[in-house]
Amino acid sequence: SQQGEEDPQALSIQEGENATMNCSYKTSINNLQWYRQNSGRGLVHLILIRSNEREKHSGRLRVTLDTSKKSSSLLITASRAADTASYFCATALNFGNEKLTFGTGTRLTIIP
Amino acid sequence: GAVVSQHPSRVICKSGTSVKIECRSLDFQATTMFWYRQFPKQSLMLMATSNEGSKATYEQGVEKDKFLINHASLTLSTLTVTSAHPEDSSFYICSATTGVGDYEQYFGPGTRLTVT
Repeated sequence: SQQGEEDPQALSIQEGENATMNCSYKTSINNLQWYRQNSGRGLVHLILIRSNEREKHSGRLRVTLDTSKKSSSLLITASRAADTASYFCATALNFGNEKLTFGTGTRLTIIP
Repeated sequence: GAVVSQHPSRVICKSGTSVKIECRSLDFQATTMFWYRQFPKQSLMLMATSNEGSKATYEQGVEKDKFLINHASLTLSTLTVTSAHPEDSSFYICSATTGVGDYEQYFGPGTRLTVT
């Protein structure tokens, strides 16, 4: 299946530190997206990176994509307690095919 | 912009009854809506893809007669869990796309279904 594997499954860090989460997938993709989910809530879109892009930034977020290794990473710099949430990567296979396949997720806890 | 709502946010029903969950795009027209299911501390699993005016496409292993999906307009899709059983208890999330650009999906806040 295309479902991505994320690691670590859980991550606890001190406020102010950087958090890095990784995602691996199995087949060629059109784009990869990162989402955030607070406990018991819906998903919030964070960032989308296309298959021809290698790195993208949005505020304190930095996403990299290595299509040769079929992997992506999400870096959150200068973490805050409010960043505590689950983070999921999701892959879209083809342009025009809107279906997303989600990874297993990383539960991030920021310790104040 | 790009807000998706779901109703109800929580529902408790008795085993054997049916439950309808609504998903609405509030400020845009959604050519496609998706329904996901999420078990506690697990990822989202796509159940079906719904296009306005046509039959939904179900993922492998999802019973179409049990999870009825109707996408009657460009702003509304409904998921009906028929003859619900305790194992159907889950968090159901919908998303919608505009069909343009990068096909970003906008997610609803989810519906917590508990079947007793």
